[in-house]
Amino acid sequence: KQEVTQIPAALSVPEGENLVLNCSFTDSAIYNLQWFRQDPGKGLTSLLLIQSSQREQTSGRLNASLDKSSGRSTLYIAASQPGDSATYLCAVKYYAGNMLTFGGGTRLMVKP
Amino acid sequence: DAGVIQSPRHEVTEMGQEVTLRCKPISGHDYLFWYRQTMMRGLELLIYFNNNVPIDDSGMPEDRFSAKMPNASFSTLKIQPSEPRDSAVYFCASSFFVWDEQYFGPGTRLTVT
Repeated sequence: KQEVTQIPAALSVPEGENLVLNCSFTDSAIYNLQWFRQDPGKGLTSLLLIQSSQREQTSGRLNASLDKSSGRSTLYIAASQPGDSATYLCAVKYYAGNMLTFGGGTRLMVKP
Repeated sequence: DAGVIQSPRHEVTEMGQEVTLRCKPISGHDYLFWYRQTMMRGLELLIYFNNNVPIDDSGMPEDRFSAKMPNASFSTLKIQPSEPRDSAVYFCASSFFVWDEQYFGPGTRLTVT
């Protein structure tokens, strides 16, 4: 079964800290991997999309890496701010099925 | 573009009633996806369309659920009859290609009492 796992489920850090969110997937035959942000009661905002041929993508203070061979991706957030508090979701598009398979998310709290 | 538009944003209905959720994808996107999000199961794909044609509906939980896409700018997800366990947030998303970045709508929060 193609699964996506995110650890930890919740994370609390002080403002200014650099942090890493983890995502693991069970099958390396993927099209791409997408990181989303979801604020409480809101929809999903796409943060970064990494194609299977890429190793990383950067947007502002965010950097996402992809290691297909080990089935892992990380989202690095530099100099965290209280406004970064949200749930971060990792989603993998496997070749089989053409669908996005989501992880359970990491709920991040950045304290002032 | 205004992004993916969904309506209504909130829906409260009684068990047994018919519920229709609506979605307008981003103009030019050929793929449209319907997802459901619950605390227990997270985000799950229900069905997706390519050029208005349903491609994979294996995620649709029961025959009570049906989805249509009569044209490139409109899709509906219907639940008839609704049950309390259908309570969830339903998201619509669209993309240019199946492997492309997906853009999500704000969701419809459905409560069935």
